[in-house]
Amino acid sequence: AQKVTQAQTEISVVEKEDVTLDCVYETRDTTYYLFWYKQPPSGELVFLIRRNSFDEQNEISGRYSWNFQKSTSSFNFTITASQVVDSAVYFCALSEARRDDKIIFGKGTRLHILP
Amino acid sequence: KAGVTQTPRYLIKTRGQQVTLSCSPISGHRSVSWYQQTPGQGLQFLFEYFSETQRNKGNFPGRFSGRQFSNSRSEMNVSTLELGDSALYLCASSQSETGGSYEQYFGPGTRLTVT
Repeated sequence: AQKVTQAQTEISVVEKEDVTLDCVYETRDTTYYLFWYKQPPSGELVFLIRRNSFDEQNEISGRYSWNFQKSTSSFNFTITASQVVDSAVYFCALSEARRDDKIIFGKGTRLHILP
Repeated sequence: KAGVTQTPRYLIKTRGQQVTLSCSPISGHRSVSWYQQTPGQGLQFLFEYFSETQRNKGNFPGRFSGRQFSNSRSEMNVSTLELGDSALYLCASSQSETGGSYEQYFGPGTRLTVT
């Protein structure tokens, strides 16, 4: 069975600090996809990144970076020099390679960036 | 390109009634997925449609149903509404043809309140 665990329910940091959001996943498949989505107060989920299970390279996009480690089944997300606009709920998600688009989401981490 | 649109944005119904929610995917996207988001259960997969066919269904009772039209627009229906059906219902579309979990783009959601 597939499962995504985001152990951090809520995090608060002061603006300009770095923050890492943890994500641990479970799957029996060797081919799978991992995602991060951001949900700002407006409610609309915003796609951030998709990574397949064969690509363990870390990725950096501006102030965002992702660390994928198959050995620990983790796909952590770091925001560098956080800004107030980064305040949102962040979801990690997993999809197994199959003939549909079912995605299993973690419970989310609510991130507060304090000015 | 226009994003995923959902109508209506807000809805108030009473117990026992039924409701139909609509989703128009991004132009060219043929896969449409539906999710239910509640504070307690988080984001849960309802079902996914591709080319008018349901490819997968989550663990929801038969009161929840959906369909997809030839223009890829999708509707979901909930019959005999219960208080617990109060939630944000999110629709997502992707260009996925054979699965493989391309990134899904989400609409703003329909906030359903059952009284």
